[in-house]
Amino acid sequence: KAGVTQTPRYLIKTRGQQVTLSCSPISGHRSVSWYQQTPGQGLQFLFEYFSETQRNKGNFPGRFSGRQFSNSRSEMNVSTLELGDSALYLCASRLGGGDTEAFFGQGTRLTVV
Amino acid sequence: DQQVKQNSPSLSVQEGRISILNCDYTNSMFDYFLWYKKYPAEGPTFLISISSIKDKNEDGRFTVFLNKSAKHLSLHIVPSQPGDSAVYFCAANLFRGAQKLVFGQGTRLTINP
Repeated sequence: KAGVTQTPRYLIKTRGQQVTLSCSPISGHRSVSWYQQTPGQGLQFLFEYFSETQRNKGNFPGRFSGRQFSNSRSEMNVSTLELGDSALYLCASRLGGGDTEAFFGQGTRLTVV
Repeated sequence: DQQVKQNSPSLSVQEGRISILNCDYTNSMFDYFLWYKKYPAEGPTFLISISSIKDKNEDGRFTVFLNKSAKHLSLHIVPSQPGDSAVYFCAANLFRGAQKLVFGQGTRLTINP
């Protein structure tokens, strides 16, 4: 069974640009969450999608947005990039409902220059 | 306000001995807890979880203990192996049914031969 797939693995963008990251969850999983990891702030929750609906949102500005498609694949978009957005962005896949285990992808390393 | 804390940034243990990683939390509304292992530039790997209604969960070499009155959980690894060297994150979930993981800052475990 394939794991969580995130693309691309690495990305370099310029300040002011926008970026879209993609996440394909484990087959059959309906919940996709996004997290940002930085050396200073650690792992922080961005948002969760379940059945194409955003169910939870973390404390990030509106420049961070996401969506989920009918096949459960999810995209995360960051507009007007800032240097501080440089981070490892992680996607977590979960079956949904009451189960607990969330399985993470390898992440996308975004560098803003 | 750091709701999940791992007060030891690092821990060094001899191969074959027990590794004990600790985590404290402040929010009594957390409904389940998870431990993840992480290598640099990779996504976290799920290890074990425990519901807030239990006080112990065991899976092979890994055991998690939860002390709700003290708002404390610990991960025991017995026996410790060199491949266990990694950063370990404690995470707590805030919303029943949905997912919003709050992570600790991590503890770097080094297993010495």
